[in-house]
Amino acid sequence: EAQVTQNPRYLITVTGKKLTVTCSQNMNHEYMSWYRQDPGLGLRQIYYSMNVEVTDKGDVPEGYKVSRKEKRNFPLILESPSPNQTSLYFCASSPSSGRAIYEQYFGPGTRLTVT
Amino acid sequence: QKEVEQNSGPLSVPEGAIASLNCTYSDRGSQSFFWYRQYSGKSPELIMSIYSNGDKEDGRFTAQLNKASQYVSLLIRDSQPSDSATYLCAVNSRSNYQLIWGAGTKLIIKP
Repeated sequence: EAQVTQNPRYLITVTGKKLTVTCSQNMNHEYMSWYRQDPGLGLRQIYYSMNVEVTDKGDVPEGYKVSRKEKRNFPLILESPSPNQTSLYFCASSPSSGRAIYEQYFGPGTRLTVT
Repeated sequence: QKEVEQNSGPLSVPEGAIASLNCTYSDRGSQSFFWYRQYSGKSPELIMSIYSNGDKEDGRFTAQLNKASQYVSLLIRDSQPSDSATYLCAVNSRSNYQLIWGAGTKLIIKP
């Protein structure tokens, strides 16, 4: 089954404790992206990657890191989480050819709470 | 000023009626327009894309685009309770490979 998977689905952590949210896709997509979704603010892009070893900042990259060492994986790293990073996080992927780049497939989401 | 604006709702529509969802955008150079549906507690899924002025129909869904007025709409005919969800409008950014998202309209279909 074609899908984007994220782990963990739920995470409660404390301020300053490094964490990684994994994202993997099995559709051979070049483009991958991380979003956060907060009530009233909609989806905001954190980072995106056009292909292996190519990453770019989105609208809200502060406090986050990413890496793209393999085509299928795009982990999101919070090196020192803070309470304002409490949010619902989505990973998405798409082909990078033409308009298809915007026809994104989303993972199930990771709900993160930082206390 | 938000770049993609939607009425947050909730928009309440009787079952069997037409639901009309609207979206305006600020960048005149945008060329690609999308409607994603998000059920409560779930992830967004693409339901319609439109690239040219006019209407595009897919089953009970019709997307309408008016670039001169910078306006995109989604019509849902014969609305069903299963259509109850939040509908997200997204527009491509000219400057990079990003989508600009509206905050979404919550649609409730009343049986």
